[in-house]
Amino acid sequence: GAGVSQSPSNKVTEKGKDVELRCDPISGHTALYWYRQSLGQGLEFLIYFQGNSAPDKSGLPSDRFSAERTGGSVSTLTIQRTQQEDSAVYLCASSFEVVEDSNTEAFFGQGTRLTVV
Amino acid sequence: GIQVEQSPPDLILQEGANSTLRCNFSDSVNNLQWFHQNPWGQLINLFYIPSGTKQNGRLSATTVATERYSLLYISSSQTTDSGVYFCAVEWDDYKLSFGAGTTVTVRA
Repeated sequence: GAGVSQSPSNKVTEKGKDVELRCDPISGHTALYWYRQSLGQGLEFLIYFQGNSAPDKSGLPSDRFSAERTGGSVSTLTIQRTQQEDSAVYLCASSFEVVEDSNTEAFFGQGTRLTVV
Repeated sequence: GIQVEQSPPDLILQEGANSTLRCNFSDSVNNLQWFHQNPWGQLINLFYIPSGTKQNGRLSATTVATERYSLLYISSSQTTDSGVYFCAVEWDDYKLSFGAGTTVTVRA
């Protein structure tokens, strides 16, 4: 697509429920990132996918968080047993393959605003 | 990890004024981007500027990688320039590390 697409735009869920957030990257982009922005805060790295390489999950805050990327394109971020502190905007970004001297400009989707009540 | 510091944290401008936002980073970086987060939360790409100077309309940016800083210039500010400006640096091959942002308010 023309830009990074995320769905849903907003999600309100009850504490303890599982949620799935979807990201559709820019066509041709092999790198995909998830970030989290809590209220009034900067962006926190969560996870990174690059082609068929093993993802970098070092930013995931707990084992309730997981993500997958099917077919090197669409990615799903899953949060199990949601807690109120999970409330935030979850942002997805994509870029061309990260190699030396390449243009790795990242483009972000509009985000999913998650509210856990 | 790398530290990214932005200043000032808040900036209030009268429409038509010029301003400079600064981004300092603590280590060598591969790349640097400036973003504008609009009131709806969308991150808009402003500049991809690992070094040198670029201009886009009323905005321009300069990165001096050897001295580990970047500057974003806003000239003849408009109310639509309001929002949060983020600097993000790429380190560790691919991770983007963000500063805390500068909140700009432009008053008519």
